[in-house]
Amino acid sequence: SAVISQKPSRDICQRGTSLTIQCQVDSQVTMMFWYRQQPGQSLTLIATANQGSEATYESGFVIDKFPISRPNLTFSTLTVSNMSPEDSSIYLCSVSGSSSYNEQFFGPGTRLTVL
Amino acid sequence: DAKTTQPNSMESNEEEPVHLPCNHSTISGTDYIHWYRQLPSQGPEYVIHGLTSNVNNRMASLAIAEDRKSSTLILHRATLRDAAVYYCILRTGNQFYFGTGTSLTVIP
Repeated sequence: SAVISQKPSRDICQRGTSLTIQCQVDSQVTMMFWYRQQPGQSLTLIATANQGSEATYESGFVIDKFPISRPNLTFSTLTVSNMSPEDSSIYLCSVSGSSSYNEQFFGPGTRLTVL
Repeated sequence: DAKTTQPNSMESNEEEPVHLPCNHSTISGTDYIHWYRQLPSQGPEYVIHGLTSNVNNRMASLAIAEDRKSSTLILHRATLRDAAVYYCILRTGNQFYFGTGTSLTVIP
């Protein structure tokens, strides 16, 4: 298993600003992912954070709005840029190991409110 | 994207079995079926997964239809701690596509 921490756990931000969310894992992992969970909704995959190369974004998500960094095998950041109230969501990172893609471990999430 | 369909909510009495259904009629031959659950204010946690055969683990059982277009998560004896949102997920490669989830209420 993997233990994942996210910072901040929650934040309240003003429209037009940006917030960077950090995801730290207690062991080296191959795959890291970022999800968005809008209020009362399911999880939607934003992108796969690739170590040493650009992230791979899902349809409807773009790098200019959600830039992602993955400097090493234990850490990643997601930035929510030029925020609007529609960006108010919980943002979660998850990881899976190199031996199996069968199980993903999720962080506790970052609750973002945009005013 | 592969998609799943689940009932929005279900109720169960404590210590009784619970059958949570999921339809995934567009599943492809290489998609795995995963179930995760999410307790309030937490990230999802793994429950069980399978490809074609029924699966059992300490948490639950997974029954997969022969044509793989549907599956059922079985909790053998529901406890109050099992109250959560249960997600049926299709895994394509290394990416998970979450369904809408079923909110399970366990009645004491």
